[in-house]
Amino acid sequence: AQSVAQPEDQVNVAEGNPLTVKCTYSVSGNPYLFWYVQYPNRGLQFLLKYITGDNLVKGSYGFEAEFNKSQTSFHLKKPSALVSDSALYFCAVRRMDSSYKLIFGSGTRLLVRP
Amino acid sequence: DAEITQSPRHKITETGRQVTLACHQTWNHNNMFWYRQDLGHGLRLIHYSYGVQDTNKGEVSDGYSVSRSNTEDLPLTLESAASSQTSVYFCASSVVSSGSYNEQFFGPGTRLTVL
Repeated sequence: AQSVAQPEDQVNVAEGNPLTVKCTYSVSGNPYLFWYVQYPNRGLQFLLKYITGDNLVKGSYGFEAEFNKSQTSFHLKKPSALVSDSALYFCAVRRMDSSYKLIFGSGTRLLVRP
Repeated sequence: DAEITQSPRHKITETGRQVTLACHQTWNHNNMFWYRQDLGHGLRLIHYSYGVQDTNKGEVSDGYSVSRSNTEDLPLTLESAASSQTSVYFCASSVVSSGSYNEQFFGPGTRLTVL
């Protein structure tokens, strides 16, 4: 079965420190992977995606993600966290049935303290 | 600017009532999706459409229906609202392009409370 796991409900980091939000997936074949961010009382905003090519993907607001096929992971990273990065982050993978549907992880809340 | 809007943003209704949540996008996207967001479950797909007159069931479609009469709109109807349908509902859309897979764009959400 295809699935996405975000093992941490919450990640706490101090402003200025690097941050990592973890995501692992389980799909057959080559995955299409996405990260979204949700601010309070808002819809999800697209951050970045991995389709093919370079394993390090750069996205919006200084975020990047590293695709690791052997570990089936797609961790979200940022070199220096900002208080304004505090939000809910979702990892998603496209279903491998040639549809346009996404499977979402349960979300990780990122809290950046001043 | 193109956008995707949802209305109402907040709705309180009673068990057994029919409720319709609106979704309107001006991206001219063929694909549209409805999700519900519940604590601990992330987003779960309710229904989706790949174009006019096309509708498909998602993983949690029981008690919901959609119709697609034009490109811009995909209203979600709760035929007889139940307390278990209290949730935040998100509409999303994406463009179809050959040889690629494009991200979905999300609306601001509708918070529905069924009493």
